[in-house]
Amino acid sequence: DTEVTQTPKHLVMGMTNKKSLKCEQHMGHRAMYWYKQKAKKPPELMFVYSYEKLSINESVPSRFSPECPNSSLLNLHLHALQPEDSALYLCASSQDRVKAFFGQGTRLTVV
Amino acid sequence: DQQVKQNSPSLSVQEGRISILNCDYTNSMFDYFLWYKKYPAEGPTFLISISSIKDKNEDGRFTVFLNKSAKHLSLHIVPSQPGDSAVYFCAASDSGGGADGLTFGKGTHLIIQP
Repeated sequence: DTEVTQTPKHLVMGMTNKKSLKCEQHMGHRAMYWYKQKAKKPPELMFVYSYEKLSINESVPSRFSPECPNSSLLNLHLHALQPEDSALYLCASSQDRVKAFFGQGTRLTVV
Repeated sequence: DQQVKQNSPSLSVQEGRISILNCDYTNSMFDYFLWYKKYPAEGPTFLISISSIKDKNEDGRFTVFLNKSAKHLSLHIVPSQPGDSAVYFCAASDSGGGADGLTFGKGTHLIIQP
């Protein structure tokens, strides 16, 4: 199993809603990541979890709240988002800090 | 300031010919480089990587070349096939205790023409 699974694939939410993005991997990777990708831009790192502990937060606004319940799961809790937060949110995992496997992404639209 | 640069937003190549995608970097702490292929609305798919201790890595139709002194790498695809049409991202990692995660270039849209 070399998959990183993200749910949902698409999400439309209002600016007052609370929603969560989910990510799962069963490759035994010790690091998991959230990236954000806007149209025609490269993926940008948001958060890094290493051994279930948050190791990097790339100055992401507090309306994005990551959570790592266990070594296979990674969540991104969303609250009071803005329309400019609409993007493709990518989850990735890696074992050796270099080669990351990406999920298919969640296409988020904030209305 | 972009640490990983892909200066060609798009590249058009005839089927069967060689595709050469270029990437430059500025951070001398980067020691591992990767190429990802991405279709619209999908996650990036890993293609090939190279460590800074090597200057070439080959996997089937894909070869990556690294010139450390020039801080330049390139991806060669030969022969190019229609299914290779996608956006290709160059990415770099500083695995020596610096920032974790990958730094991506802006991508090059490769179009393979029949």
